[in-house]
Amino acid sequence: GENVEQHPSTLSVQEGDSAVIKCTYSDSASNYFPWYKQELGKRPQLIIDIRSNVGEKKDQRIAVTLNKTAKHFSLHITETQPEDSAVYFCATTSPRNYQLIWGAGTKLIIKP
Amino acid sequence: SQTIHQWPATLVQPVGSPLSLECTVEGTSNPNLYWYRQAAGRGLQLLFYSVGIGQISSEVPQNLSASRPQDRQFILSSKKLLLSDSGFYLCAWDAGTGDYNEQFFGPGTRLTVL
Repeated sequence: GENVEQHPSTLSVQEGDSAVIKCTYSDSASNYFPWYKQELGKRPQLIIDIRSNVGEKKDQRIAVTLNKTAKHFSLHITETQPEDSAVYFCATTSPRNYQLIWGAGTKLIIKP
Repeated sequence: SQTIHQWPATLVQPVGSPLSLECTVEGTSNPNLYWYRQAAGRGLQLLFYSVGIGQISSEVPQNLSASRPQDRQFILSSKKLLLSDSGFYLCAWDAGTGDYNEQFFGPGTRLTVL
């Protein structure tokens, strides 16, 4: 079945620097790639997503890039701020039943 | 607009006791519904999902069960809790209309089994 690997598991960056989180997937038929942010004790919430017909999407300080040939997609956060500290999950859809398959999560720590 | 409710918000239960967590969705019809469990500091483990009333798919064998008695109601149950059942339980829904389905999560129930 579909599998999603997410790296790194923990990422610590200086405030103001950029952060990059990468996910790889196994099924070339996957065509939807969302990213969720979960603050401590809260529910995960969608922050950005990309479909397979697009290579890059930006929303202010966050962007997602997709490389379908290599089967990986990445979340980029620029000019990081303390409120960016959270756990970030990538996901993709299972072509079998359109359910989301989740990465294991990345804990992003923004150092002041 | 759509909203999703979960209760209770927090629960402390002894080992061997029963469990019932409830999730309801408002403002949408025929949603896909999901139960996830998140152990402390860990990722999202899909437990059950449902595409319609009475239709439940189990992703992980365990001592938990799920039911969907109404279109927008999803219940997670156990007859006898284990210590390993402790965690953050999240209910989620999506529109189930195709392959670009954003999932919306409820506020979660934090369960501690002692």
